[in-house]
Amino acid sequence: GAVVSQHPSRVICKSGTSVKIECRSLDFQATTMFWYRQFPKKSLMLMATSNEGSKATYEQGVEKDKFLINHASLTLSTLTVTSAHPEDSSFYICSAPRMGASYEQYFGPGTRLTVT
Amino acid sequence: AQSVTQLGSHVSVSEGALVLLRCNYSSSVPPYLFWYVQYPNQGLQLLLKYTTGATLVKGINGFEAEFKKSETSFHLTKPSAHMSDAAEYFCAVTLGETSGSRLTFGEGTQLTVNP
Repeated sequence: GAVVSQHPSRVICKSGTSVKIECRSLDFQATTMFWYRQFPKKSLMLMATSNEGSKATYEQGVEKDKFLINHASLTLSTLTVTSAHPEDSSFYICSAPRMGASYEQYFGPGTRLTVT
Repeated sequence: AQSVTQLGSHVSVSEGALVLLRCNYSSSVPPYLFWYVQYPNQGLQLLLKYTTGATLVKGINGFEAEFKKSETSFHLTKPSAHMSDAAEYFCAVTLGETSGSRLTFGEGTQLTVNP
C-alpha cells in the first residue's frame, strides 16, 4: 500500500524558535498534500492544502505567516512552525491522496511538537 | 459542502460483543465515505471505504460498514470485539474533486473494550 512518512516523529523546541516538519510520499507522487492539527482527544483540524508548484491554501483562521508550507517536489511537503509558542504544541499529521484511488488519503504517522 | 456526525464520543463494549459505531453524513453530491482508526500517538489507518457499487463494504480486522443513502448513514460494525480494537475511530467524507479531495472528519468515537 501507499506509504507516507513524517519526520521528525517527535520534537521539543524552545519558545521563539522555528521547527520544520517533513511529509513524504514514499511510493507515489502527490501533487496535493494536506496538513492537519490534532488536539488531545479531538478530531483532525485541516490547516492547509499543500500544492506542488503553487502556493498553499490555508483554512480560515490559520495564520499563513506562522505555518509556512512548501511543496518542494511531487513527494515532499514541509510545514514550518515559525516563532513557536507553547500554544503551538500539538500533534501534526499530514496526508496525501493517491489520485485514481477513490480519493483515499494516506496518512503520515504524525509529529508530536512540544514547545517549552 | 459536506459534514459528518458521529453519535457517541465514547462507546464501551465487552470483549466478544458487537461493536456499532454510528456515522451520519450530509453532502450535496454523492459522497465517498471512509472509516479510519487511530491508535495513541499514531497517524490514521484506513479501515474501509465506500465509493460506488456494493453498499456493504468489508474492511480490515473484521470491520464492515453499510452505506444507506436513505438514512445518510455509514455505520461501522464488527460482530465480536477484541481487546486490540480499543482505539479512536473517525468517519470521514469527501466529495472527490468537487471538494478538492478534502476530507471532512467526524469528531471521533473512542472505543473501549472491556475484558
